[in-house]
Amino acid sequence: DIVLTQSPASLAVSLGQRATISCRASESVDSYGNSFMHWYQQKPGQPPKLLIYRASNLESGIPARFSGSGSRTDFTLTINPVEADDVATYYCQQSNEDPFTFGSGTKLEIK
Amino acid sequence: QIQLVQSGPELKKPGETVKISCKASGYTFTDYSMHWVKQAPGKGLKWMGWINTETGEPTYADDFKGRFAFSLETSASTAYLQINNLKNEDTATYFCARDYGSRLDYWGQGTTLTVSS
Repeated sequence: DIVLTQSPASLAVSLGQRATISCRASESVDSYGNSFMHWYQQKPGQPPKLLIYRASNLESGIPARFSGSGSRTDFTLTINPVEADDVATYYCQQSNEDPFTFGSGTKLEIK
Repeated sequence: QIQLVQSGPELKKPGETVKISCKASGYTFTDYSMHWVKQAPGKGLKWMGWINTETGEPTYADDFKGRFAFSLETSASTAYLQINNLKNEDTATYFCARDYGSRLDYWGQGTTLTVSS
């Protein structure tokens, strides 16, 4: 199974500043020229929401403050600038091979 | 608009069976596979597996082989998750999610299952 290691487990960022979350895969999640890594946001009591798909593509309706980058085993989710509504837990997920594993999550708080 | 609406909360005893539904609307049900995801209280997301809505063939993650079953009622655009011989550790919220190009783009609201004697 591909293990996804997210860091940090939690971070506190001031409003208007940048938040950076890392996700490292135990093996490459690239196939056919695409990176099958996706990012989700989950607020308490709600289902996850897709933010970024295939490493760097912004899902429809998601603000451009969110961006993703990376390839093979190293990926980053950036939120810039951070707004109060961004308080949530963020998960990476790979779909390059079964099982479709998730990272352990990063909890974002406002400083 | 696309929606996945799941059945309501469940309270069950150990050893019982539960069947959770996920009704899709706003798109052609058989065009997109359906995934199931478990979230234990205060924990992260755990992928359970998926079902091919065209063929009905399920695929289970290793931890969900044996007591878990995915099924479909295609005429009703509904996917089901059945858990047999319930255990305390099955207490969790279960989500269904649509597979769009291998990303999960629409999610159900979640069904909370509590297993307690």
